[in-house]
Amino acid sequence: DAGVTQSPTHLIKTRGQQVTLRCSPKSGHDTVSWYQQALGQGPQFIFQYYEEEERQRGNFPDRFSGHQFPNYSSELNVNALLLGDSALYLCASSLSAGNNRGQFFGPGTRLTVL
Amino acid sequence: GENVEQHPSTLSVQEGDSAVIKCTYSDSASNYFPWYKQELGKRPQLIIDIRSNVGEKKDQRIAVTLNKTAKHFSLHITETQPEDSAVYFCAGGYQKVTFGTGTKLQVIP
Repeated sequence: DAGVTQSPTHLIKTRGQQVTLRCSPKSGHDTVSWYQQALGQGPQFIFQYYEEEERQRGNFPDRFSGHQFPNYSSELNVNALLLGDSALYLCASSLSAGNNRGQFFGPGTRLTVL
Repeated sequence: GENVEQHPSTLSVQEGDSAVIKCTYSDSASNYFPWYKQELGKRPQLIIDIRSNVGEKKDQRIAVTLNKTAKHFSLHITETQPEDSAVYFCAGGYQKVTFGTGTKLQVIP
């Protein structure tokens, strides 16, 4: 039984570029949430997807967008990258609609913006 | 929105002693409070969680207590071991969870 997987593991981009991160949820899970974790801080909630729709959103600008596919996998897109977007991006999956109970995290994608 | 505060930011204990981490939350609608352990360079791992209809929950050496009236919850680790050394995050919320700032626990052999 595969856990939550994310790709790529590491990514280096320059300011102004766009990036797409990918997440496959744990088998049987239908809800995917994305978090940004800056160095030395706790994960910050970006948004959550269920039934291919954005259900909840944190305090992130519209440059951050996402998508969920029929197989429950998800993408996080960030446009017009800023230096401050450098962080570990974590995907978490759970079972049950509209809440985060029993979330399991993926290994994360380390994004560096130069 | 929800605001979760966590104390202390760092904690050093001798092996075998107990460790306590405390968190407070602001939104009375919050009904789910998970705790995560994150080792250096690894993903956060769910170690225990509690729902608002329960006051205490135990799992071997780990226990969590919740005081809804005071809006605070705590993590208790007994008989600490060196492998308990990590950063611990509390979180709370209703439909989305807000994380605390983390506690770096060091267990000294």
